[in-house]
Amino acid sequence: DAGVIQSPRHEVTEMGQEVTLRCKPISGHNSLFWYRQTMMRGLELLIYFNNNVPIDDSGMPEDRFSAKMPNASFSTLKIQPSEPRDSAVYFCASSLGARAYNEQFFGPGTRLTVL
Amino acid sequence: AQTVTQSQPEMSVQEAETVTLSCTYDTSESDYYLFWYKQPPSRQMILVIRQEAYKQQNATENRFSVNFQKAAKSFSLKISDSQLGDAAMYFCAYRRAQGGKLIFGQGTELSVKP
Repeated sequence: DAGVIQSPRHEVTEMGQEVTLRCKPISGHNSLFWYRQTMMRGLELLIYFNNNVPIDDSGMPEDRFSAKMPNASFSTLKIQPSEPRDSAVYFCASSLGARAYNEQFFGPGTRLTVL
Repeated sequence: AQTVTQSQPEMSVQEAETVTLSCTYDTSESDYYLFWYKQPPSRQMILVIRQEAYKQQNATENRFSVNFQKAAKSFSLKISDSQLGDAAMYFCAYRRAQGGKLIFGQGTELSVKP
Protein backbone atom coordinates (compact mmCIF):
# COMPACT_ATOMS: atom_id res chain seq x y z
CA ASP A 1 0.00 0.00 0.00
CA ALA A 2 1.22 3.49 -0.78
CA GLY A 3 1.91 5.59 2.25
CA VAL A 4 1.71 9.37 2.48
CA ILE A 5 3.35 10.86 -0.57
CA GLN A 6 5.14 14.19 -0.48
CA SER A 7 6.75 16.14 -3.26
CA PRO A 8 9.30 17.35 -3.84
CA ARG A 9 11.65 15.50 -1.49
CA HIS A 10 14.16 18.32 -1.67
CA GLU A 11 13.68 21.94 -2.63
CA VAL A 12 16.32 24.64 -2.86
CA THR A 13 15.13 28.13 -3.62
CA GLU A 14 16.19 31.70 -3.23
CA MET A 15 14.80 34.15 -0.75
CA GLY A 16 11.68 35.84 -2.03
CA GLN A 17 10.57 32.98 -4.24
CA GLU A 18 7.29 31.15 -3.88
CA VAL A 19 7.50 27.56 -2.67
CA THR A 20 4.75 24.96 -2.92
CA LEU A 21 4.92 21.68 -1.07
CA ARG A 22 2.53 18.90 -1.97
CA CYS A 23 1.00 16.01 -0.08
CA LYS A 24 -1.14 13.06 -1.02
CA PRO A 25 -2.61 11.37 2.07
CA ILE A 26 -3.29 7.68 2.39
CA SER A 27 -6.47 6.79 0.56
CA GLY A 28 -9.47 6.82 2.87
CA HIS A 29 -7.84 8.97 5.52
CA ASN A 30 -9.86 12.06 6.36
CA SER A 31 -7.43 13.97 8.58
CA LEU A 32 -4.28 15.62 7.30
CA PHE A 33 -1.53 17.37 9.23
CA TRP A 34 1.40 19.58 8.25
CA TYR A 35 4.40 19.63 10.61
CA ARG A 36 7.69 21.48 10.44
CA GLN A 37 10.96 20.22 11.91
CA THR A 38 13.87 22.52 12.70
CA MET A 39 16.86 22.22 15.00
CA MET A 40 15.76 25.23 17.01
CA ARG A 41 12.06 24.50 17.43
CA GLY A 42 11.89 20.75 16.94
CA LEU A 43 8.71 19.27 15.49
CA GLU A 44 5.67 21.52 15.53
CA LEU A 45 2.25 21.39 13.96
CA LEU A 46 1.50 24.07 11.41
CA ILE A 47 -2.07 23.20 10.46
CA TYR A 48 -4.44 20.29 10.28
CA PHE A 49 -7.53 19.48 8.25
CA ASN A 50 -10.43 17.23 8.97
CA ASN A 51 -12.63 16.29 6.03
CA ASN A 52 -10.80 18.92 3.95
CA VAL A 53 -11.67 21.71 6.40
CA PRO A 54 -8.90 23.50 8.31
CA ILE A 55 -9.45 22.86 12.01
CA ASP A 56 -6.39 24.35 13.69
CA ASP A 57 -4.03 26.73 11.91
CA SER A 58 -2.61 28.32 15.06
CA GLY A 59 0.83 26.97 14.22
CA MET A 60 1.08 28.74 10.88
CA PRO A 61 3.93 31.19 11.43
CA GLU A 62 2.60 34.18 9.56
CA ASP A 63 0.69 35.33 6.53
CA ARG A 64 3.45 34.14 4.24
CA PHE A 65 2.28 30.60 4.90
CA SER A 66 -0.94 29.20 3.49
CA ALA A 67 -2.35 25.69 3.17
CA LYS A 68 -5.17 24.25 1.15
CA MET A 69 -6.91 20.94 0.82
CA PRO A 70 -9.11 21.13 -2.27
CA ASN A 71 -10.09 17.48 -2.07
CA ALA A 72 -9.56 14.40 0.07
CA SER A 73 -6.50 13.26 -1.86
CA PHE A 74 -4.39 16.39 -2.12
CA SER A 75 -3.04 19.21 0.00
CA THR A 76 -0.56 22.01 -0.54
CA LEU A 77 1.51 24.17 1.75
CA LYS A 78 2.65 27.39 0.15
CA ILE A 79 5.24 29.90 1.33
CA GLN A 80 5.26 33.27 -0.38
CA PRO A 81 7.69 34.95 -0.18
CA SER A 82 10.14 32.47 1.26
CA GLU A 83 12.84 33.48 3.74
CA PRO A 84 16.01 31.72 4.93
CA ARG A 85 14.40 31.04 8.33
CA ASP A 86 11.81 28.88 6.57
CA SER A 87 14.52 26.31 5.89
CA ALA A 88 13.32 23.11 7.55
CA VAL A 89 11.93 19.66 6.91
CA TYR A 90 8.19 19.77 6.31
CA PHE A 91 6.19 16.65 7.06
CA CYS A 92 2.71 15.76 6.00
CA ALA A 93 0.81 13.13 7.99
CA SER A 94 -2.62 11.59 7.60
CA SER A 95 -4.93 9.56 9.80
CA LEU A 96 -8.24 7.79 9.64
CA GLY A 97 -10.06 10.17 11.92
CA ALA A 98 -8.89 13.04 14.09
CA ARG A 99 -9.07 11.41 17.52
CA ALA A 100 -5.87 10.70 19.42
CA TYR A 101 -6.19 6.94 19.01
CA ASN A 102 -6.11 7.32 15.22
CA GLU A 103 -2.50 6.75 14.28
CA GLN A 104 -0.89 9.48 12.24
CA PHE A 105 1.14 8.13 9.32
CA PHE A 106 3.93 10.43 8.24
CA GLY A 107 5.27 11.07 4.78
CA PRO A 108 9.01 11.12 4.05
CA GLY A 109 9.20 14.89 4.40
CA THR A 110 10.35 17.70 2.15
CA ARG A 111 13.68 19.28 2.99
CA LEU A 112 13.42 22.96 2.10
CA THR A 113 16.48 25.16 1.84
CA VAL A 114 16.00 28.88 1.27
CA LEU A 115 19.17 30.68 0.29
CA ALA B 1 -0.41 24.53 27.71
CA GLN B 2 0.90 21.03 27.36
CA THR B 3 4.64 20.44 27.20
CA VAL B 4 6.85 17.42 26.64
CA THR B 5 10.43 17.24 27.87
CA GLN B 6 13.16 14.78 26.96
CA SER B 7 16.18 15.51 29.11
CA GLN B 8 18.60 13.14 27.37
CA PRO B 9 19.81 14.60 24.06
CA GLU B 10 21.93 11.50 23.40
CA MET B 11 22.05 7.95 24.64
CA SER B 12 24.22 5.00 23.76
CA VAL B 13 23.68 1.27 24.23
CA GLN B 14 25.60 -1.87 23.45
CA GLU B 15 24.00 -4.25 21.00
CA ALA B 16 21.78 -6.82 22.77
CA GLU B 17 21.63 -4.68 25.92
CA THR B 18 18.69 -2.73 27.34
CA VAL B 19 18.30 1.03 27.30
CA THR B 20 15.69 3.37 28.77
CA LEU B 21 14.79 6.74 27.30
CA SER B 22 13.15 9.29 29.58
CA CYS B 23 10.23 11.60 28.94
CA THR B 24 8.20 13.86 31.19
CA TYR B 25 5.17 15.90 30.27
CA ASP B 26 2.90 18.48 31.73
CA THR B 27 -0.85 18.73 31.25
CA SER B 28 -3.96 19.57 33.17
CA GLU B 29 -6.01 17.14 31.12
CA SER B 30 -6.97 13.73 32.43
CA ASP B 31 -7.62 11.99 29.12
CA TYR B 32 -4.79 11.87 26.65
CA TYR B 33 -2.44 9.64 24.73
CA LEU B 34 1.34 9.39 24.81
CA PHE B 35 3.51 8.15 21.99
CA TRP B 36 7.06 7.26 21.12
CA TYR B 37 8.14 7.88 17.55
CA LYS B 38 11.35 6.74 15.90
CA GLN B 39 13.08 8.83 13.25
CA PRO B 40 15.94 7.01 11.52
CA PRO B 41 18.39 8.81 9.22
CA SER B 42 15.88 8.39 6.40
CA ARG B 43 13.77 11.03 8.23
CA GLN B 44 10.67 8.83 8.17
CA MET B 45 8.66 9.18 11.39
CA ILE B 46 7.57 5.77 12.63
CA LEU B 47 5.22 5.10 15.52
CA VAL B 48 6.89 2.76 18.00
CA ILE B 49 4.36 2.51 20.80
CA ARG B 50 1.43 4.37 22.34
CA GLN B 51 -0.18 4.55 25.75
CA GLU B 52 -3.68 5.62 26.67
CA ALA B 53 -3.66 7.65 29.87
CA TYR B 54 -6.69 5.94 31.37
CA LYS B 55 -5.06 2.52 31.04
CA GLN B 56 -2.87 1.65 33.99
CA GLN B 57 -1.23 -1.27 32.24
CA ASN B 58 1.98 -0.34 30.49
CA ALA B 59 1.99 -0.82 26.74
CA THR B 60 4.37 -3.28 25.12
CA GLU B 61 5.29 -3.95 21.50
CA ASN B 62 7.77 -6.78 21.12
CA ARG B 63 11.12 -5.45 22.39
CA PHE B 64 9.65 -2.04 23.22
CA SER B 65 7.82 -1.26 26.43
CA VAL B 66 6.91 1.80 28.41
CA ASN B 67 6.87 2.74 32.06
CA PHE B 68 3.91 5.07 32.42
CA GLN B 69 3.68 6.91 35.73
CA LYS B 70 0.60 9.12 35.44
CA ALA B 71 0.93 10.86 38.79
CA ALA B 72 4.55 11.69 38.12
CA LYS B 73 3.76 12.57 34.49
CA SER B 74 6.55 10.33 33.34
CA PHE B 75 6.61 8.13 30.24
CA SER B 76 9.85 6.27 29.60
CA LEU B 77 10.65 3.88 26.77
CA LYS B 78 12.57 0.69 27.35
CA ILE B 79 14.24 -1.06 24.44
CA SER B 80 15.32 -4.60 25.20
CA ASP B 81 17.84 -6.65 23.21
CA SER B 82 18.93 -3.53 21.32
CA GLN B 83 19.68 -3.98 17.64
CA LEU B 84 21.76 -1.91 15.24
CA GLY B 85 18.56 -0.96 13.45
CA ASP B 86 17.28 0.72 16.61
CA ALA B 87 19.77 3.54 16.13
CA ALA B 88 17.68 6.65 15.48
CA MET B 89 16.22 9.78 17.00
CA TYR B 90 13.38 8.99 19.36
CA PHE B 91 10.61 11.46 20.07
CA CYS B 92 8.12 11.37 22.89
CA ALA B 93 4.78 12.96 22.01
CA TYR B 94 1.50 13.92 23.69
CA ARG B 95 -1.97 14.30 22.24
CA ARG B 96 -5.29 15.14 23.82
CA ALA B 97 -7.79 12.30 23.59
CA GLN B 98 -10.16 14.50 21.60
CA GLY B 99 -7.50 14.84 18.95
CA GLY B 100 -5.61 17.77 17.58
CA LYS B 101 -1.92 18.24 17.31
CA LEU B 102 0.86 16.00 18.49
CA ILE B 103 3.17 17.85 20.87
CA PHE B 104 6.69 16.53 20.60
CA GLY B 105 9.66 16.52 22.92
CA GLN B 106 13.07 17.62 21.73
CA GLY B 107 14.19 14.10 20.91
CA THR B 108 16.86 11.67 22.12
CA GLU B 109 19.46 10.41 19.68
CA LEU B 110 20.15 6.74 20.35
CA SER B 111 23.29 5.07 19.07
CA VAL B 112 23.81 1.32 19.20
CA LYS B 113 27.34 -0.02 19.45
CA PRO B 114 28.14 -3.40 17.90
